[in-house]
Order: sequence, then C-alpha cells, then structure tokens
Amino acid sequence: GAGVSQSPSNKVTEKGKDVELRCDPISGHTALYWYRQSLGQGLEFLIYFQGNSAPDKSGLPSDRFSAERTGGSVSTLTIQRTQQEDSAVYLCASSQTGAPSNFGPGTRLLVL
Amino acid sequence: SQQGEEDPQALSIQEGENATMNCSYKTSINNLQWYRQNSGRGLVHLILIRSNEREKHSGRLRVTLDTSKKSSSLLITASRAADTASYFCATDAGGGSNYKLTFGKGTLLTVNP
Repeated sequence: GAGVSQSPSNKVTEKGKDVELRCDPISGHTALYWYRQSLGQGLEFLIYFQGNSAPDKSGLPSDRFSAERTGGSVSTLTIQRTQQEDSAVYLCASSQTGAPSNFGPGTRLLVL
Repeated sequence: SQQGEEDPQALSIQEGENATMNCSYKTSINNLQWYRQNSGRGLVHLILIRSNEREKHSGRLRVTLDTSKKSSSLLITASRAADTASYFCATDAGGGSNYKLTFGKGTLLTVNP
C-alpha cells in the first residue's frame, strides 16, 4: 500500500520567505510526527499530532514554526521568515499507535 | 542533546562480512529502535527491542540490548552491497511519550562489492 508521502521533495527559498511543507500520512494512522534532520546531526523531534490536535509541540525551535493537521489526515508544517539555519531535511512519520513506524522521504529545504 | 550515540561514525566492509554498529544512550529507556536511511531517502524501521529484552533477531539482523551499560548493538550478517546506508538508533522514554524518539547521529555503513 501507499506509504507516507511528502511534498515538495526539494525546496529552495530565500531568507525571510515563508515555506509550507506537506505530509500525507498512511490512511488510518491517527498519529503523525514531524522531525528535522540537519546536516551531520541526528533527527530531532518537532511536533506530534494525535488526530487533529497536537499534544506535544515542544520540539518546535521557535515561534516561526507552526503546524496543523486537518481531517485527521494531511499535515502542513509552516516556517515563517525562514533563516539559513532552518536548512535541513524535514521528515514526517505516521503510525497507528506508539512510536513512529513509517517515515516519508522527507523535504529537503535550503534557505539561501 | 543527543540521547543515542552510534559508534563507529563510519564503517567500510567487504560484501559477505559481518557489520557491527553500537549505540550508547544516557537515560533510562522504554524501547530502543534501529532505523536505516538510504542516501536521499526516508527512514526505514528495522527492529524494536524493549527494555526488558536482551536480544532480538530479524532475518540477517541481530540486536542486543544491555540496559546496565546503556548500550545496544546491531549486527548485520553476510552483508550485501544493498546494505549500504546510514543506520540510526533511537530511544524513547515511554510513560506516554514513546512518540518522542531521540536519535543518534548514525553510522554510515559502506559495503563494497
């Protein structure tokens, strides 16, 4: 069956612009997660959704980062006024319960 | 700060040889998982071992967990060129926060044909 998909696969933007990253989880998965992988670093947790609500946003690095999920399905991660340090691969994952089991291919974001 | 630290950072072996990667962590865990990431791709979940387990097998993979030493190892036997990838360990503390995985920086495994 279809896995987690993310779009765009690559995004190049200028410093100060806003970007939106999209995640389509596996159908029926109620839990959705965003992680970020910076160059040479491991993955860091950003936010967790259970259904449409986000019980844990503790990993969002600043108030420029926000995320929403609608219909218990698609999620959008928005970064406002992008900075060069936001450059990373943003990974989305979903699962029915428990820890993330299925990761998407990620969106590579480059902020010039 | 990173919870898991993989060792070595990079490993290069010949096809057919075994590859062993280690992971150490700092705080108490509920589960430890290993993932693989091919270049430019997403993460693939390999295996999960619970804190009350000591060893687990899945095909050519063998994972051990030593909670007294706060360490785990991943053994890939009879390696293949297709095993070339980065391997990450990830831990969760349980207690309702098992979604919040803490990853190490990974081991880059290269299997030469």
